[in-house]
Amino acid sequence: GDSVTQMEGPVTLSEEAFLTINCTYTATGYPSLFWYVQYPGEGLQLLLKATKADDKGSNKGFEATYRKETTSFHLEKGSVQVSDSAVYFCALSDPMDTGRRALTFGSGTRLQVQP
Amino acid sequence: GAVVSQHPSWVICKSGTSVKIECRSLDFQATTMFWYRQFPKQSLMLMATSNEGSKATYEQGVEKDKFLINHASLTLSTLTVTSAHPEDSSFYICSARDAADSSYGYTFGSGTRLTVV
Repeated sequence: GDSVTQMEGPVTLSEEAFLTINCTYTATGYPSLFWYVQYPGEGLQLLLKATKADDKGSNKGFEATYRKETTSFHLEKGSVQVSDSAVYFCALSDPMDTGRRALTFGSGTRLQVQP
Repeated sequence: GAVVSQHPSWVICKSGTSVKIECRSLDFQATTMFWYRQFPKQSLMLMATSNEGSKATYEQGVEKDKFLINHASLTLSTLTVTSAHPEDSSFYICSARDAADSSYGYTFGSGTRLTVV
């Protein structure tokens, strides 16, 4: 079945440091890929997405490129802020699904940004 | 964009009582909604898939009689934790997807923190 593997956290960075959170996936066909962010005590918010190979999703300074050849969707940000401290989840869905199947999530990566 | 409203955001109840959590899609119709449970510092665990007008599909190991799911309309699904015990204390999150949205994104509620005392 489909699966998503994320790097284990926590990831601790100083403000303005470069961020990479690795995500690889296993799926048949061409899944859609997502990054969600969860701030403490809250639900998940969609951060960015990509629906086909070589697509780059971007939002709030975060970027991720859909790499089919390496089955990866790594999250990057050039300069993190304290407010980026949260848990980040990589996920995939079957684009042929009509919404009846849940997303497949990675285990989540906690990011802590220190001033 | 698609919005999912989850209520209440937190609840404290006594052991043995039941608690109902609501999940509403505010600006789209959701024939399917999903219920997750999240333990501290862990990922989301899918509990069940809620289908409008039919029985929910539960994941292996989830007790159907303890976690009752009702999806009576295209915009509302409810999760009732029956005869709650302290081990049911957790963070519960619902999710839905607008089948009419070709971007394939799923929208999540803000979660419900349940504490059973």
